[in-house]
Amino acid sequence: DTGVSQDPRHKITKRGQNVTFRCDPISEHNRLYWYRQTLGQGPEFLTYFQNEAQLEKSRLLSDRFSAERPKGSFSTLEIQRTEQGDSAMYLCASSPTWESYNEQFFGPGTRLTVL
Amino acid sequence: AQSVTQLDSHVSVSEGTPVLLRCNYSSSYSPSLFWYVQHPNKGLQLLLKYTSAATLVKGINGFEAEFKKSETSFHLTKPSAHMSDAAEYFCVVSEFTGGGADGLTFGKGTHLIIQP
Repeated sequence: DTGVSQDPRHKITKRGQNVTFRCDPISEHNRLYWYRQTLGQGPEFLTYFQNEAQLEKSRLLSDRFSAERPKGSFSTLEIQRTEQGDSAMYLCASSPTWESYNEQFFGPGTRLTVL
Repeated sequence: AQSVTQLDSHVSVSEGTPVLLRCNYSSSYSPSLFWYVQHPNKGLQLLLKYTSAATLVKGINGFEAEFKKSETSFHLTKPSAHMSDAAEYFCVVSEFTGGGADGLTFGKGTHLIIQP
């Protein structure tokens, strides 16, 4: 399968714990995006990378959220000191270039439950 | 700033009848517009996209959408609904702001129900 993959698919954690999610984009896709989707809502843009450079991070929900893409391939999204309000589906997407009309290819998501 | 309004949170149609899912957008620049579909427990899939070429866009599974700049609309239609069309549909806008594209802006979604 050459699509976008995310790991884990499900994560249950206790409030206050740190969690990290991984995204592997389609190979040779330069752009990688992170979104959050809460129940009954559309995905909400969080941040994106052009290769290893994080070009937008002001939309991250708080300073507890951070993302990296150290070698321009896979990316990680970390949430520190999780809260119950962080429970959501976290989606990763990739696209081949920077033009806005390029389709973003989405992964299956990581569903986070914070107890 | 860009935004998307999906005018119906739920749409119910009978199998074999036409489908209309309504979307209005707001954009400061020349937007690209998309419709994505999300089936239960499956990832988001692109149905179709508008990129300033033809205003009538054809997508997969018989869906099409028409870009109307004067009405700032991008409604999704299908002539004949199939049971497998039952899903959540998202209207999406993306802007090219000169510095490169930002993330996509999604509407809140329309839940399409197909009655047998």
